[in-house]
Formats: sequence, C-alpha cells, structure tokens
Amino acid sequence: SQELEQSPQSLIVQEGKNLTINCTSSKTLYGLYWYKQKYGEGLIFLMMLQKGGEEKSHEKITAKLDEKKQQSSLHITASQPSHAGIYLCGADPGSYGKLTFGQGTILTVHP
Amino acid sequence: EAQVTQNPRYLITVTGKKLTVTCSQNMNHEYMSWYRQDPGLGLRQIYYSMNVEVTDKGDVPEGYKVSRKEKRNFPLILESPSPNQTSLYFCASSLGTESYEQYFGPGTRLTVT
Repeated sequence: SQELEQSPQSLIVQEGKNLTINCTSSKTLYGLYWYKQKYGEGLIFLMMLQKGGEEKSHEKITAKLDEKKQQSSLHITASQPSHAGIYLCGADPGSYGKLTFGQGTILTVHP
Repeated sequence: EAQVTQNPRYLITVTGKKLTVTCSQNMNHEYMSWYRQDPGLGLRQIYYSMNVEVTDKGDVPEGYKVSRKEKRNFPLILESPSPNQTSLYFCASSLGTESYEQYFGPGTRLTVT
C-alpha cells in the first residue's frame, strides 16, 4: 500500500518567517491533496496537485508536486499565527477509493 | 450550506455497548469515507463507499461496520466497542469520480472505557 511520510513532524516558527513542509510518497502520486486542520476540528481542503511540476498558490501558501510525482512541498511565506495548525497531505493512489494520508505536521507560529 | 454533519460530536461509552455514529452530507456526493485520527498515526481510513450499497474496507476496518442505504447517509457502527477504539473520528465525502477533494465533518470524539 502507498505510504506518505511528512517532514518535519512539528515546526515552531516566529511570525513573519517562511517555512516548508514536505510530503514524500512511497509510490507515484496520481493526485496529492493538502489539508489544514485546527486542533480537534475537521480538515479544510487547501489544494490539489495532479501533474508533475504543477504548482498552485492560495494567499501565502504555495504547493508543488515534483516532476517524478513522488514528493510534494507546501511553502508558507511570511507566516502568521492564523497559519498555525496541523497540515496533512493526502494521496489518491490511482486505485478505487482508498486514500492515504501522511501523519501530519504540527505548525506553531509565535507572534 | 454544503456540509457534512456528524452526530454525536462527543461520546463516552463502556466496553461492549453497541453504538452508531451518524454521518450525513447534503452535496449529493457519491463517495463517502470514515477515518480515525490518533496521535502520531495521522488519519487512517476505516471504510469507504463509492455509492449506495457499495462499500469497501480501508486500512483499519477491524471492529467497525458501515452501511450505505441512502446516498446522503453513511453511518459507522461499532458492534462491541473496545478501549483501543477511543479516537477522533471523521466522516468525509467527495464527488469521487475525478477528484477526491474531500469535505470533512467536524469530527466525533469517542472515548471507550
């Protein structure tokens, strides 16, 4: 089965700093999804990437899927306390219905 | 408002007492799924359903049952809950045909003593 490894597992930054979260897959990614979760709450969809080399941005968050489609990165520019939460990557394995998620990265942003 | 609802949001129960967590979506989505989230283990898929009367096991189906008799509802059933099923549970839905962009419910925090 497909496995997703996220790094780092947790991250503490000062407000205004840039940061990157990585998601590495054990198999080729047919679709890669980034979600954000506030502690104890549901997940909110951020972005979906499908093509190798694809890059998408939403406000100060940019996500990219590498050419070989086995790794994705999520970059936050000029972080703010509102960016704090748990970021999860999820993969569409190309087979019927089974989705896999990484273990999540806990982001803390100090004002 | 498009949403996925779960009930109850919080539940404390005892070992062996059957329980059902309901999930409903109002977006006419074909695909629905249940996950559990545990510290250090992330989000793991329990069961999923591609449409009415079509369900299949995810990665951690043991101890759980589901049914999909109507498109909008996908209840999760624990016939005989055990303490290792203490977790945060999420229901999700998506169109499912070309995109697995999922809409998540608010979560159900279950404690089994």
